Amino acid sequence: GAGVSQSPRYKVAKRGQDVALRCDPISGHVSLFWYQQALGQGPEFLTYFQNEAQLDKSGLPSDRFFAERPEGSVSTLKIQRTQQEDSAVYLCASSLEAGTTEAFFGQGTRLTVV
Amino acid sequence: GESVGLHLPTLSVQEGDNSIINCAYSNSASDYFIWYKQESGKGPQFIIDIRSNMDKRQGQRVTVLLNKTVKHLSLQIAATQPGDSAVYFCAETYTGRRALTFGSGTRLQVQP
Repeated sequence: GAGVSQSPRYKVAKRGQDVALRCDPISGHVSLFWYQQALGQGPEFLTYFQNEAQLDKSGLPSDRFFAERPEGSVSTLKIQRTQQEDSAVYLCASSLEAGTTEAFFGQGTRLTVV
Repeated sequence: GESVGLHLPTLSVQEGDNSIINCAYSNSASDYFIWYKQESGKGPQFIIDIRSNMDKRQGQRVTVLLNKTVKHLSLQIAATQPGDSAVYFCAETYTGRRALTFGSGTRLQVQP
């Protein structure tokens, strides 16, 4: 595709439910990032992949959050036993080279936990 | 609380005027800065970046100024248009760190 694609666009989960959010980066992009954006706030870093290697997961808020990119392209962010405080927009970004220079963001997945 | 986060600083300008959006950063080690534009329901869109060895960089209708002494960044938009209405975020990082740290954002409203 022409840009970073995320699915689903919207997800409503009951508290305690597990969710999986998908990111299709721009083809050939080495770097992939996940960010969490609460309503009215700037995005906050969750985790970074260089190809299939997860090089930085310092932003993951708890062990309920898990991300993978097994073949170095598509990535999945999984949240187990969702809580209300997990409600946010989850943004994925990719860049051609290692590092953050001119990373392209997807439209995000809006997660609402009820 | 969540309601505080909803009250983004807002800059309201008339169409055709110049806009200046400001950002303060705290990490003196930061050496790379980016401005992003985010429209409602969309992801952040790259506008312009600047490295710490520069104090000014110009793009098409946009200029970024960096003052490392006071850790301040600004984005100037010339001849502001209705399509410029959005939330603008500054972001920073430093060599060796791949994650960006975003500021809290400024909402720009352009009045026709």
